[in-house]
Amino acid sequence: GQNIDQPTEMTATEGAIVQINCTYQTSGFNGLFWYQQHAGEAPTFLSYNVLDGLEEKGRFSSFLSRSKGYSYLLLKELQMKDSASYLCAVRFSGGYNKLIFGAGTRLAVHP
Amino acid sequence: EAGVTQFPSHSVIEKGQTVTLRCDPISGHDNLYWYRRVMGKEIKFLLHFVKESKQDESGMPNNRFLAERTGGTYSTLKVQPAELEDSGVYFCASSQESWQAPYEQYFGPGTRLTVT
Repeated sequence: GQNIDQPTEMTATEGAIVQINCTYQTSGFNGLFWYQQHAGEAPTFLSYNVLDGLEEKGRFSSFLSRSKGYSYLLLKELQMKDSASYLCAVRFSGGYNKLIFGAGTRLAVHP
Repeated sequence: EAGVTQFPSHSVIEKGQTVTLRCDPISGHDNLYWYRRVMGKEIKFLLHFVKESKQDESGMPNNRFLAERTGGTYSTLKVQPAELEDSGVYFCASSQESWQAPYEQYFGPGTRLTVT
């Protein structure tokens, strides 16, 4: 199957840096998305990687290694409002444009 | 610009009843997707419309689920008859798309369906 694995929960301190990992099967890979979801709200787009390397967007960066089937989302200068679920989603070729989601990582930021 | 909207936000129905969920995508987005998240599980794909045509319905669980997008604008997802295992949050998403640059999918806030 097309399993997307990410840790269930993480905790971090305000002002710190946290890295959320995501692994997926490499066959047919066609792009990886990171979404943020606050409880009861819509998932909101954070980043998209299709080539190897690091994509930086302000406090958030996302890295991809296609050969390893691995991505991470790096959050810097953590703020309390960053407490949310972070969803890793992969698009596979041959699957039109549907996204396969991981179960999400619940991040709790403490003062 | 208005985002993806969904109606209702919550629905509580009894087993065996019918429920219809509605999604209004972002104006101009030809691609519309339905996903759902059942308790404790990951968000799972249901189906994908391009305009009014079903591009991929591989995620539809069974024939109790019927999705339509007449006119290529808003979409409805009907569950008839509803079963207990249909409880969950149903998300709609829309996107612009091209073979050159796949755009991100914009999600609505979801409809929380509870079947009792």
